[in-house]
Amino acid sequence: DAGVTQSPTHLIKTRGQHVTLRCSPISGHKSVSWYQQVLGQGPQFIFQYYEKEERGRGNFPDRFSARQFPNYSSELNVNALLLGDSALYLCASSFGTELRASYGYTFGSGTRLTVV
Amino acid sequence: AQTVTQSQPEMSVQEAETVTLSCTYDTSENNYYLFWYKQPPSRQMILVIRQEAYKQQNATENRFSVNFQKAAKSFSLKISDSQLGDTAMYFCAFMKRRVAQGAQKLVFGQGTRLTINP
Repeated sequence: DAGVTQSPTHLIKTRGQHVTLRCSPISGHKSVSWYQQVLGQGPQFIFQYYEKEERGRGNFPDRFSARQFPNYSSELNVNALLLGDSALYLCASSFGTELRASYGYTFGSGTRLTVV
Repeated sequence: AQTVTQSQPEMSVQEAETVTLSCTYDTSENNYYLFWYKQPPSRQMILVIRQEAYKQQNATENRFSVNFQKAAKSFSLKISDSQLGDTAMYFCAFMKRRVAQGAQKLVFGQGTRLTINP
């Protein structure tokens, strides 16, 4: 069974550009969360989606947006890229219920975004 | 808001030794979950062990065990008989048990880089 898959694995963008990151959850998982991990720090929560609706948003500017599709895959979009957006972006999936989430999320290997 | 603090940026031990990683957290919640995740160079976060705050018994998973002190808000990870494959970043994380509205999110510490030497 495939795990959480993210694409692309690496990406280099120029300041001011736009980027789209993609995530496919584990089959059967209906919740997808996005985290930003700046080098040397722990991941920071960006968004959670469940059944195609936004469940919550972290302390990130409006340049960050996301959506979830009917097949539960998700996209994270970042507009007007800044140098500080350079980070590893992690996607995590779960069934979506509280009990299932309490057993921890399953993470993908992330997309390494470099903004130059 | 919850915060998680890992005070040891780096640790290094010899293979087969026992090592303990520290984690403290701050919350006003009474019911929550605590986790230790491992992040090897492959970058994928791998769940090592979880603890339910409403259970007093410390969780164990093979060579991994925790010392959960709820009153002190402390959650340390002990790795026994350490192996070269244990080399990785280790993150302590907190999650509320019940969320009426909003996201059920993980709050991570800054991480501890653990190196197991041969």
